[in-house]
Amino acid sequence: KNEVEQSPQNLTAQEGEFITINCSYSVGISALHWLQQHPGGGIVSLFMLSSGKKKHGRLIATINIQEKHSSLHITASHPRDSAVYICAVDGGGADGLTFGKGTHLIIQP
Amino acid sequence: DTEVTQTPKHLVMGMTNKKSLKCEQHMGHRAMYWYKQKAKKPPELMFVYSYEKLSINESVPSRFSPECPNSSLLNLHLHALQPEDSALYLCASSQPGALAYGYTFGSGTRLTVV
Repeated sequence: KNEVEQSPQNLTAQEGEFITINCSYSVGISALHWLQQHPGGGIVSLFMLSSGKKKHGRLIATINIQEKHSSLHITASHPRDSAVYICAVDGGGADGLTFGKGTHLIIQP
Repeated sequence: DTEVTQTPKHLVMGMTNKKSLKCEQHMGHRAMYWYKQKAKKPPELMFVYSYEKLSINESVPSRFSPECPNSSLLNLHLHALQPEDSALYLCASSQPGALAYGYTFGSGTRLTVV
């Protein structure tokens, strides 16, 4: 069974700061997902990674398959980025995702 | 169409009621999932239908029963639920084995059992 660890669990920052959220996992995967969930809301998929780096707007996600580690970066953070960010790994097939516990991010104006 | 549609968005039901949650996708994904999410916790997998074959998380009580009428539809039938079953129920879909296709989540059904 894959163990997914995220850090930090909680993060409060000022608007404009550069944010990094980390995720590590214990067993090889076919893909890693970064997900966003606003309070009381559903889940939005931000990135799916199997190697390298992806960028979408102010969000950047990287993965190092050898080290079993991924990072999500937010540049020029904004209060609307306040949400829970969840790392989830896909072992392949159709067994569902294994989720980290999430990082609760608050960006203060 | 790149969405997973869940209905209803909110549901309040008594412990003696029978209700159903519905999930629909038209992306041609051949795997569909039900997840349960309690407040401030990550989602927990309940059921997977992959190519119309069901896989069950054996810890899920029998008062939850899934149904997959076809590859685009996934229902979750609820009967004699308990207050602790109150949660956000999320449906998702994916295409197994295709790395180009990510997971797509529905917006969820917020279920309250009274």
